[in-house]
Amino acid sequence: QSALNQPPSASGSLGQSVTISCSGSSSDTDFYAFLSYYVSWYQQHPGKAPKLLIYEVSKRPSGVSDRFSGSRSGNTASLTVSGLQADDEADYYCLSYSGSNTWVFGGGTKLTVL
Amino acid sequence: QVHLEQSASGVTNPGASVKVSCETSGYTFATYPISWVRLAPGQGLEWMGWISGGDTKYAQTFQGRLTLTADTSTATVYMELKNVRSDDTATYFCARTSFSNYFDIWGRGTLVTVSS
Repeated sequence: QSALNQPPSASGSLGQSVTISCSGSSSDTDFYAFLSYYVSWYQQHPGKAPKLLIYEVSKRPSGVSDRFSGSRSGNTASLTVSGLQADDEADYYCLSYSGSNTWVFGGGTKLTVL
Repeated sequence: QVHLEQSASGVTNPGASVKVSCETSGYTFATYPISWVRLAPGQGLEWMGWISGGDTKYAQTFQGRLTLTADTSTATVYMELKNVRSDDTATYFCARTSFSNYFDIWGRGTLVTVSS
């Protein structure tokens, strides 16, 4: 079984930056290859559908603010939110492809903007 | 533009089945698979299953209870969950699945409440 571990909470002040980590673990070595390429990040406000922020580790869809950036180091992917705004307060999830048309989400991180 | 329209929210009795639809528009239906994801109260997003043409894949958690089907004539995907329990109370989302294994377009979600 594959799993993605995120911190349950994160916080930052208006205008500052915050980074959310997403660490992968699996008994299947192929998962780590998928983690290298197929990590995406989603923002979800209460009562709303998730919104794609980052795909393929670090690519941003058109229309997504460049304040959101993604990166990876080893088995850990990260999402950085720069210039924090009040509307950035939401839940953030990482997602990785885990092979054979299956996917796994991280547990989610609740971001609080102070 | 690309849009996924989900069926309305509702209440279902324990032990019954629930079926949620996801009508797609704005793109060639056969080109992209659809995945289903749920969000239970106080929990995180959970991937449930995937359908592409006649192929399906289900998360182990839902094996035997979940069935995904597609009607190409109406570009609609259906998610049926059988023998529902109170812990199946959740908002269920359909999401278009890209070639690079991310979910780019989401439906608005369908709240299913399991209660007698």
